[in-house]
Amino acid sequence: GENVEQHPSTLSVQEGDSAVIKCTYSDSASNYFPWYKQELGKRPQLIIDIRSNVGEKKDQRIAVTLNKTAKHFSLHITETQPEDSAVYFCAARGGADGLTFGKGTHLIIQP
Amino acid sequence: GAVVSQHPSRVICKSGTSVKIECRSLDFQATTMFWYRQFPKQSLMLMATSNEGSKATYEQGVEKDKFLINHASLTLSTLTVTSAHPEDSSFYICSASPQAGGYTFGSGTRLTVV
Repeated sequence: GENVEQHPSTLSVQEGDSAVIKCTYSDSASNYFPWYKQELGKRPQLIIDIRSNVGEKKDQRIAVTLNKTAKHFSLHITETQPEDSAVYFCAARGGADGLTFGKGTHLIIQP
Repeated sequence: GAVVSQHPSRVICKSGTSVKIECRSLDFQATTMFWYRQFPKQSLMLMATSNEGSKATYEQGVEKDKFLINHASLTLSTLTVTSAHPEDSSFYICSASPQAGGYTFGSGTRLTVV
């Protein structure tokens, strides 16, 4: 089955700086890679996603890049703000339809 | 947008009893729904894929006789935790994939077994 590795587990950045979270996946058949933000006790919120036929996607301060050859994808958040503090999960959809999640990154924005 | 409703949001039950969690797609039909479990400070783990009108597909290590899944209609899937024990205490969350793509998550159920 699919295996998704996510790094780092904790990331602390100064407000206004950029944050980068990286994930790798194992199943070359995976074709959909979403990123979620999760507040404590709440459902995951989709912040951006990318499909395997695209190398990069951007939405305002958030961007995702995908390298299919290397089987890794990254989340980039620029001009970080206090409200960006949360746990972020990457995920991949492989042969089956369900998502395999990374272990999560606790992003801390320091004022 | 696509909405998935999940109930109850919180439940406390005694050890040995069963608990049913409902997941409904409110404005779209879902032939497939997904059930995840999330322990504190951990990631979401796919437990099973619920298929309308047929048997669910369980992930390796998930006991199908303990976690009963029923998907009797195109808008409703239920997860029953049977003979619950304290180690089953967790956050259970369902998900469905609307026609437009992507995944919509329910609000989750916090199960506490005492």
